[in-house]
Amino acid sequence: QVQLVQSGAEVKKPGASVKVSCKASGYTFTGYYLHWVRQAPGQGLEWMGWLNPTTGGTNFAQKFQGRVTMTRDTSISTAYMGLTRLRPDDTAIYYCAFNTGTTNYWGQGTLITVSS
Amino acid sequence: SHELTQPSSVSVFPGQTVRITCSGDVLAERYGRWFQQKPGQVPLLVIYQDSERPSGIPERFSGSSSGTTVTLIISGAQVEDEADYYCYSAADNNWVFGGGTKLTVL
Repeated sequence: QVQLVQSGAEVKKPGASVKVSCKASGYTFTGYYLHWVRQAPGQGLEWMGWLNPTTGGTNFAQKFQGRVTMTRDTSISTAYMGLTRLRPDDTAIYYCAFNTGTTNYWGQGTLITVSS
Repeated sequence: SHELTQPSSVSVFPGQTVRITCSGDVLAERYGRWFQQKPGQVPLLVIYQDSERPSGIPERFSGSSSGTTVTLIISGAQVEDEADYYCYSAADNNWVFGGGTKLTVL
């Protein structure tokens, strides 16, 4: 079955960087664009950007441009999302996800806490 | 950038029908989807392509579309339907979410 398994929760200090992994299984990793979405505590879903696993191409929401990177290692079917210059308001659950024509798959989420 | 607008909260009595709307220019050209999210859980797709229901989603969930608005309809709401509902669309592979609607089943 399709699975997206993300790395574990992390606590970071303001100004630090974080890298979250998303390991895919049960489908062809290069078959679908992989998106990253975050959700701050008590808030809504916020799209961050996408990664084309075939080419490595990316596109980011304007809000995150300059701070976010999205990469992949096709040999291990794993995508990565990096965020730099962390601020307390980056505290959120970060999800990887992708759509097919008829459904949608999400990782379990990774809680990133930014606190001094 | 595209925006999707939903009411922040809606309430319904058990067994009654509730409609949650979502409006945005992108919906005139792109399909809308709806997610249900319960506390501590990952979003669950309940409607795709404006009105299609994924397998396993109860028949009481349906969707409609008109112009720049899509609507999620829950016919005969159940207590277990209490959740946050997010509309979503995609333009050029870029996702956009509505702000979410908290559904309370009274």
